Amino acid sequence: AQTVTQSQPEMSVQEAETVTLSCTYDTSESDYYLFWYKQPPSRQMILVIRQEAYKQQNATENRFSVNFQKAAKSFSLKISDSQLGDAAMYFCAYRSGSNTGKLIFGQGTTLQVKP
Amino acid sequence: EPEVTQTPSHQVTQMGQEVILRCVPISNHLYFYWYRQILGQKVEFLVSFYNNEISEKSEIFDDQFSVERPDGSNFTLKIRSTKLEDSAMYFCASSAQDLRNQPQHFGDGTRLSIL
Repeated sequence: AQTVTQSQPEMSVQEAETVTLSCTYDTSESDYYLFWYKQPPSRQMILVIRQEAYKQQNATENRFSVNFQKAAKSFSLKISDSQLGDAAMYFCAYRSGSNTGKLIFGQGTTLQVKP
Repeated sequence: EPEVTQTPSHQVTQMGQEVILRCVPISNHLYFYWYRQILGQKVEFLVSFYNNEISEKSEIFDDQFSVERPDGSNFTLKIRSTKLEDSAMYFCASSAQDLRNQPQHFGDGTRLSIL
């Protein structure tokens, strides 16, 4: 069975600085997808960024980028120029390349942004 | 931008009672999911639904639970004979036809409190 681990329950960053959130996963599959979701206090989970396992190039979405290390099964999220609105719970998630579509989530990391 | 909507936002129910959580997925989406998040814990997959039938369910999704798409727009989760440990945030999600390229969109969640 696949597992996702986020070893940092809480992180903090100064506004305008850069922070990296860690995520590791375990799978025997070769075809899969990885995601980072943001859950602000308003509760709705919002997709931040996604990475297809077959792509070697790291995904980037504006200030958000990932460091995808397939051999190490690591998928970290880097937030550059942190803003107050980035404060939230961040979840790393795995999805198999099969058609089930279910997401397997990590425990989450609470990010605090200090002004 | 289209959203997944869930009602009610908060449901309080006596232990042993039945509860129905409602979701309206994004209109052109074909895959539907329920997840739950017990306070302080990770988000857990419950069930996925496609073409009017369950495509996958987790160990959590036992005979106490059922899902239905009664009218082509709503997607409901029914919990029979609720227990204290059913208290959690329940999230509905939907995705478009091509699972490989389309992320899941989440609703705001329903907070279920069992007394």
